[in-house]
Amino acid sequence: AQSVTQPDIHITVSEGASLELRCNYSYGATPYLFWYVQSPGQGLQLLLKYFSGDTLVQGIKGFEAEFKRSQSSFNLRKPSVHWSDAAEYFCAVVEGAGSYQLTFGKGTKLSVIP
Amino acid sequence: DAGVIQSPRHEVTEMGQEVTLRCKPISGHDYLFWYRQTMMRGLELLIYFNNNVPIDDSGMPEDRFSAKMPNASFSTLKIQPSEPRDSAVYFCASSLLALYNEQFFGPGTRLTVL
Repeated sequence: AQSVTQPDIHITVSEGASLELRCNYSYGATPYLFWYVQSPGQGLQLLLKYFSGDTLVQGIKGFEAEFKRSQSSFNLRKPSVHWSDAAEYFCAVVEGAGSYQLTFGKGTKLSVIP
Repeated sequence: DAGVIQSPRHEVTEMGQEVTLRCKPISGHDYLFWYRQTMMRGLELLIYFNNNVPIDDSGMPEDRFSAKMPNASFSTLKIQPSEPRDSAVYFCASSLLALYNEQFFGPGTRLTVL
């Protein structure tokens, strides 16, 4: 079964600084990859997704992620963080076409210092 | 569309009581998912439906949990009897086959069992 690892439980950055959240997955073939964001007391919102093609994908709110097959990684980046980006971020994987089971990482909580 | 609707948003009950959580998916979506989120275990898929039919309930923790989807616009997750270890946030999500697994989450129900 596939698994998703987010090695950083909590990250703190200053407003305006760049951000990279790490995500590694274990799965033999190319999975479908997602990043979701959860603001306090809210449900999850999709930031971006990767299925195939260009390995650099753009999402909402200025986020992007890069799929690196050789490293089994799908790291999320933002060049300049805003205070409103403070939230919890989840990487998730689906085992390819025909499967509808999302496997989530444990999440990374992002704090932003003014 | 109003998005996925869940009710109640908060539920406090005593051990042994029956709890019913409700979900209205986005109109036209053919998949519905129930998740549980806890600090210890993160986000776990409990069960999912396709066209109102349960497809995989292997994530349901035990027989005290049951889920139904009597029609395309309504689903329930029931816990009977409830136990303190059931305290968690329960999310409902829906998706449309053509959207390649993108799931839209409701705001969640925070359940506290005393």
